[in-house]
Amino acid sequence: AAGVIQSPRHLIKEKRETATLKCYPIPRHDTVYWYQQGPGQDPQFLISFYEKMQSDKGSIPDRFSAQQFSDYHSELNMSSLELGDSALYFCASSSTSRDTQYFGPGTRLTVL
Amino acid sequence: GDSVTQMEGPVTLSEEAFLTINCTYTATGYPSLFWYVQYPGEGLQLLLKATKADDKGSNKGFEATYRKETTSFHLEKGSVQVSDSAVYFCALRPSYNTDKLIFGTGTRLQVFP
Repeated sequence: AAGVIQSPRHLIKEKRETATLKCYPIPRHDTVYWYQQGPGQDPQFLISFYEKMQSDKGSIPDRFSAQQFSDYHSELNMSSLELGDSALYFCASSSTSRDTQYFGPGTRLTVL
Repeated sequence: GDSVTQMEGPVTLSEEAFLTINCTYTATGYPSLFWYVQYPGEGLQLLLKATKADDKGSNKGFEATYRKETTSFHLEKGSVQVSDSAVYFCALRPSYNTDKLIFGTGTRLQVFP
């Protein structure tokens, strides 16, 4: 079965640079979620989108923004990167019922 | 606020041993409960879920029962395999009108032959 696709899988950036992470949901899923998992920590919810509109918001820094496009893929834009932004970023998707979130493999961001 | 508490790891077992990973939660509404598994270097995979009290989720020999009276959702497996070695996360979705999942800190399971 098709799964959530995230790109790139690995990304290395310098401090103060910008990064864009992409997420392609499971076909026919219309809701996308973003999570951040620091080293040795549990995933923290950042933001979600349903039908291209922001649905819920968690602990997302003001330096980060995200959107969902007409084909339901989503992008997380991160500016003025800090060392503390180094983490695994997960995207998840769900169908309209939104009862179960299916996670992608994650993008590992390293900020030097 | 809403939260999830898991037993600390690592949990170290021999193959074919019985597994229990404790998970308790605090929620003000009517949460749905989940167990996710993360294998080394991989993403989170849904293992099982339960959406209301007394529901039992099961998958691949793993089971967990949503117990409202004890606010618990303990994960069990009768006979573990080396391939079950991973980090297990208990999570809750606080209510139907919020999207976020709240995760526990994860429990690392190590199974030896």
